[in-house]
Amino acid sequence: SAVISQKPSRDICQRGTSLTIQCQVDSQVTMMFWYRQQPGQSLTLIATANQGSEATYESGFVIDKFPISRPNLTFSTLTVSNMSPEDSSIYLCSVEMRDYEQFFGPGTRLTVL
Amino acid sequence: QKEVEQNSGPLSVPEGAIASLNCTYSDRGSQSFFWYRQYSGKSPELIMFIYSNGDKEDGRFTAQLNKASQYVSLLIRDSQPSDSATYLCAVNMRIQGAQKLVFGQGTRLTINP
Repeated sequence: SAVISQKPSRDICQRGTSLTIQCQVDSQVTMMFWYRQQPGQSLTLIATANQGSEATYESGFVIDKFPISRPNLTFSTLTVSNMSPEDSSIYLCSVEMRDYEQFFGPGTRLTVL
Repeated sequence: QKEVEQNSGPLSVPEGAIASLNCTYSDRGSQSFFWYRQYSGKSPELIMFIYSNGDKEDGRFTAQLNKASQYVSLLIRDSQPSDSATYLCAVNMRIQGAQKLVFGQGTRLTINP
């Protein structure tokens, strides 16, 4: 497995502002993912972030709203832009190890007022 | 639409009994199957993976896979109150040319002392 950290662990933000979430892993990985988990719901994939290429976004998620950076094989950021209360959620990064196994960071709990 | 279906529960099991969690999936070509445990307020933790038809045992946990029936299950023997959590079934599927992990809605399990 891998040791994954996320910053911040939680935040309360005002409508219209932006928040950047950082994800750091203790080993080099090719595939990193960003998910959203709304209260009582399962995980929804936002995008796949591979080092050296543009992130690939899932249906319903766009780069202007959720820009992603992947500057190296151990780090990625997700920005939630121009936030509204509907963006209140837990945001999770994950990394893929062998055989499609994914391991998750501790998550960032975001509340937008 | 490629889907993973789980009974959302809640599933209530007495301490010491066997808890049985079930999952069906729509993509007949799927080859990798995962069970995650998620405690309230925490991120998902990978507890089992299975790739071949049949049973795979790890301690008190047994994963069962039947690709012909597109069915995967998780058995927890000698259930403990600490097993109370939401269990997420995840299936690796090929969607629009990329391998993606598709999650079920999760089954909330409660072990009663």
